[in-house]
Amino acid sequence: GAVVSQHPSWVICKSGTSVKIECRSLDFQATTMFWYRQFPKQSLMLMATSNEGSKATYEQGVEKDKFLINHASLTLSTLTVTSAHPEDSSFYICSVPGQGTFGEQYFGPGTRLTVT
Amino acid sequence: AQRVTQPEKLLSVFKGAPVELKCNYSYSGSPELFWYVQYSRQRLQLLLRHISRESIKGFTADLNKGETSFHLKKPFAQEEDSAMYYCAPLENQAGTALIFGKGTTLSVSS
Repeated sequence: GAVVSQHPSWVICKSGTSVKIECRSLDFQATTMFWYRQFPKQSLMLMATSNEGSKATYEQGVEKDKFLINHASLTLSTLTVTSAHPEDSSFYICSVPGQGTFGEQYFGPGTRLTVT
Repeated sequence: AQRVTQPEKLLSVFKGAPVELKCNYSYSGSPELFWYVQYSRQRLQLLLRHISRESIKGFTADLNKGETSFHLKKPFAQEEDSAMYYCAPLENQAGTALIFGKGTTLSVSS
């Protein structure tokens, strides 16, 4: 399976500041990556689809100006949480679709964001 | 609207007992179906997928199109099976995001 990394694994920031989270596909190039958000003891909620070479596609209710996504290369997507507030504190997870036709996805380890 | 239902938030069983984690879906067409597992402090990982009809770690899942269900089963639970389990249908294959059910926490005690 593919290896997906995220950096940082955890970050604490002050309210009003911005935080950038990186997601890297280490084994193969990915034209598409996905960003999810997971609150404690809850399921993953899809936030957006990151598309290499074009704008990200955001799910309904996700503010695109607040959660900036940049698919900088075929192996890197970044999620920037702008003007973070305590309610943005969450676990952010990225995933990369597998190269086969089965539809499986490979997930990063997640980034724990705490906004104080 | 597309929907995935995992009715049990928590399922507690004793070691050696049978386990069934329920999943029902409401999708147009014929989605592909997956079960993902998240062990404590680990990343989400694929457990099994319907299309390959495989058995992983003793778990199986049968697709019942009539009942639109894809329940996950294991005849004898082990303590190491304790984890969060997510059912995830995929409407279109490769390149489409997974939409997860709310998940079921399986707790296996001795």
